Amino acid sequence: GAGVSQTPSNKVTEKGKYVELRCDPISGHTALYWYRQSLGQGPEFLIYFQGTGAADDSGLPNDRFFAVRPEGSVSTLKIQRTERGDSAVYLCASSLWTPARYTFGSGTRLTVV
Amino acid sequence: AQTVTQSQPEMSVQEAETVTLSCTYDTSENNYYLFWYKQPPSRQMILVIRQEAYKQQNATENRFSVNFQKAAKSFSLKISDSQLGDTAMYFCAFMVTPGGSNYKLTFGKGTLLTVNP
Repeated sequence: GAGVSQTPSNKVTEKGKYVELRCDPISGHTALYWYRQSLGQGPEFLIYFQGTGAADDSGLPNDRFFAVRPEGSVSTLKIQRTERGDSAVYLCASSLWTPARYTFGSGTRLTVV
Repeated sequence: AQTVTQSQPEMSVQEAETVTLSCTYDTSENNYYLFWYKQPPSRQMILVIRQEAYKQQNATENRFSVNFQKAAKSFSLKISDSQLGDTAMYFCAFMVTPGGSNYKLTFGKGTLLTVNP
């Protein structure tokens, strides 16, 4: 596609539920990143994929968070047993290679009530 | 670990005037990139300008320019002829030049810039 697409745009879920956030990168971009942006903060790195593999998942806060990219294109960020502290905007970005320009999506705003 | 500090939570400027946003960073690395990103209400992070640390010449992109002071670890953004569409959050960000597999960006907390008519 022309840009990085993230769905849903907004997601409200109840505490304890499971959610999946989807990122569709620019076609041909091999690198894909997830960031989390809490209210009033800059984005914080979660995980980086090169192709299908997670090259760096050091930013995932705990084992409730998991991300996959099975075919080297679309990625899904999965959050189990959501907590109110997980409420944030989750941003996805892709690039051909780094440090070339990242292209960010418009994010998914997750609200846990 | 790298840190990025933006000391101005909010700034305002009159349309057509010039404004400078401040950023300082801390790193022990010698090779890295610095960025300014703009985030309008649409939430999408848009690259404004990029600077390679090995380049002494300051980067410019039309109305946007930087003042990169490597020794002082300072990276300010100057916006000339401010336009209403420049109203947004601005984030300073840092990336270690790739030599390994870690290409992550480290962001500051942002500066909310408002351009007034």
